[in-house]
This record gives sequence, structure tokens and C-alpha cells, in this order.
Amino acid sequence: DAKTTQPPSMDCAEGRAANLPCNHSTISGNEYVYWYRQIHSQGPQYIIHGLKNNETNEMASLIITEDRKSSTLILPHATLRDTAVYYCIALTLSVSNYQLIWGAGTKLIIKP
Amino acid sequence: GAVVSQHPSRVICKSGTSVKIECRSLDFQATTMFWYRQFPKKSLMLMATSNEGSKATYEQGVEKDKFLINHASLTLSTLTVTSAHPEDSSFYICSARDRGDSSYNEQFFGPGTRLTVL
Repeated sequence: DAKTTQPPSMDCAEGRAANLPCNHSTISGNEYVYWYRQIHSQGPQYIIHGLKNNETNEMASLIITEDRKSSTLILPHATLRDTAVYYCIALTLSVSNYQLIWGAGTKLIIKP
Repeated sequence: GAVVSQHPSRVICKSGTSVKIECRSLDFQATTMFWYRQFPKKSLMLMATSNEGSKATYEQGVEKDKFLINHASLTLSTLTVTSAHPEDSSFYICSARDRGDSSYNEQFFGPGTRLTVL
């Protein structure tokens, strides 16, 4: 699975949009981009995933560049409860091999 | 839906004792469960992949005789840390794949178990 790189930390003001970048320049054509987050001392929580098209759900939006070498997770109206470590993972979905390779993630701090 | 529970949430034990951690999928059947370990301020590290009815597959460097995994049913997997030592103190997290959801193969995570070995 492709390696991803993310900034180690980011700050965002409460109520503003939080834009978290992720580089995955070696991603292959069948690898999805998954985003999870982990609030302190809790298990990871799935946010969103996509392959080529931009995706939106009740939690966030995912913007994937046309060449698929990078993506941005957008939390449209960040709240204090969105403070967490956000992980971007490139993953091939396969019945026989499904492992999430966790990088260091981005520590997002939402400030009042 | 898609809730995974872990028990206990916290455990403190003496060095040399064994500790069992349970991971349950509450509203779905999980053919595959995963066990992770996370040290403070570090990312998750996969320890083993557990398939119902078969032996677990351990990652390189993880001692299978020390971390015993049993996946006896489609809703329960257990991790037993045998002869625990202080260096085994960590945050243990399980996740499960929904057997019936072949479209996403999404993993659902438990809340984690904080193990402290004195």
C-alpha cells in the first residue's frame, strides 16, 4: 500500500473550516484514500473514503486531486470535539489482504 | 449500527500474570478481527489478524505465544497477554470487518483497553 505523508500538527479556529492535507504520490490506481481520526484515549473512528471522485458525508468532505497524488479532508465547521489525530491511509481493498497501515497522522487542535 | 465493544476498558495487573481482553461485534458478524497496540503518542501498530475458526496471523516481531488470540465465533475475539511485564503496558485496540458488507470492507474499531502492568 502507498505511503502517505501528513503535516504533524495543525490549528484551526472553532467554527471555521479545517483543511487537512495528505500526500500520496505513489498511490496506485486501485488504492482508495481512507481517513480516520482518533480522539485521545479512544479507538479510531472512520470518517470518509474515496477513489477518484470527491466525496461528502455528514462528517466531512474529501477532495482528491485529478492525478490522485494528494487529497484534502475538509471539516466544514470545526468544533472543539473535532480535536483529534487524523490519519490518511491509502488502501487496496482486497478480500485476502486488508490491512490499515497507520502513519503518524496530523494532530488537529481546534481553538475557541 | 456497526458497534464494536472491548472489555475491560482498563486493567491493572501485576507482572507475571495473564490478562484477557475481549472484543465483540455487537450488531454484525465479523469474519475478520484485527488487534492493534498503541504506545503513548505513537500510531497504531497491527499485531495480528484474527479469522473466525482459524489461527491468527501475527505480524513480524509479535510473539504468538505471548499474545494468544482466539476467534471462536463471528462476534467474539479475545487477546490474552500471557506473563505480562511492564513493557507490555499499552493501549490495545481491536477492529472488525463486517461479514455482510463487501462493498467497503470498512473496519470498525473498539474503544480500546488500557493495560498497565506493575
